[in-house]
Amino acid sequence: AQSVTQLDSHVSVSEGTPVLLRCNYSSSYSPSLFWYVQHPNKGLQLLLKYTSAATLVKGINGFEAEFKKSETSFHLTKPSAHMSDAAEYFCVVSDKPGANNLFFGTGTRLTVIP
Amino acid sequence: DAMVIQNPRYQVTQFGKPVTLSCSQTLNHNVMYWYQQKSSQAPKLLFHYYDKDFNNEADTPDNFQSRRPNTSFCFLDIRSPGLGDAAMYLCATSRDRWKGGGINIQYFGAGTRLSVL
Repeated sequence: AQSVTQLDSHVSVSEGTPVLLRCNYSSSYSPSLFWYVQHPNKGLQLLLKYTSAATLVKGINGFEAEFKKSETSFHLTKPSAHMSDAAEYFCVVSDKPGANNLFFGTGTRLTVIP
Repeated sequence: DAMVIQNPRYQVTQFGKPVTLSCSQTLNHNVMYWYQQKSSQAPKLLFHYYDKDFNNEADTPDNFQSRRPNTSFCFLDIRSPGLGDAAMYLCATSRDRWKGGGINIQYFGAGTRLSVL
């Protein structure tokens, strides 16, 4: 069975400081992993995706995530937060071939303090 | 350039009055999905079309129906909206079903926020 756990429902950081949004997953297969961002009243935008080629994945807007199989984690990081990063972030797993569900975490709301 | 377009962005309907939400795509993708996202919750898949093949999730209420007249368009019909159906409805597309290995990305529209009065 597959599942996604986002450990923090809300993260607050000061502008210019590092961002860490945590995600753990469980999967019976080799998963595909994604981070999506959702700004208020907007749809979901793909930040980055994991393929088996590289464990450190770079995405848009300076975000990156590292796939750690031993820890079943896929944490999202950014060295320096910007005000425009304030949004809801979803960690997503898709693992079963032929299935079409994306399994979403419950989301982490990122607040950036000026 | 918008690739998955949802209209309208905001929809207000009355309790019990049928409503249709629209989604179109310029990606020529085979698969189209409808998700329901309630406030402060993760999106929940309602159903998807693989080409013309309709696939309903087991827990999707009968009140929700969908049509896909051609590759580019997909509609979500709510036959008798209740107050509990107020939500953001997200349309997404993917090139194909995921067959394992590699990546099958879903591309999302901006969503339609439905209010039920």
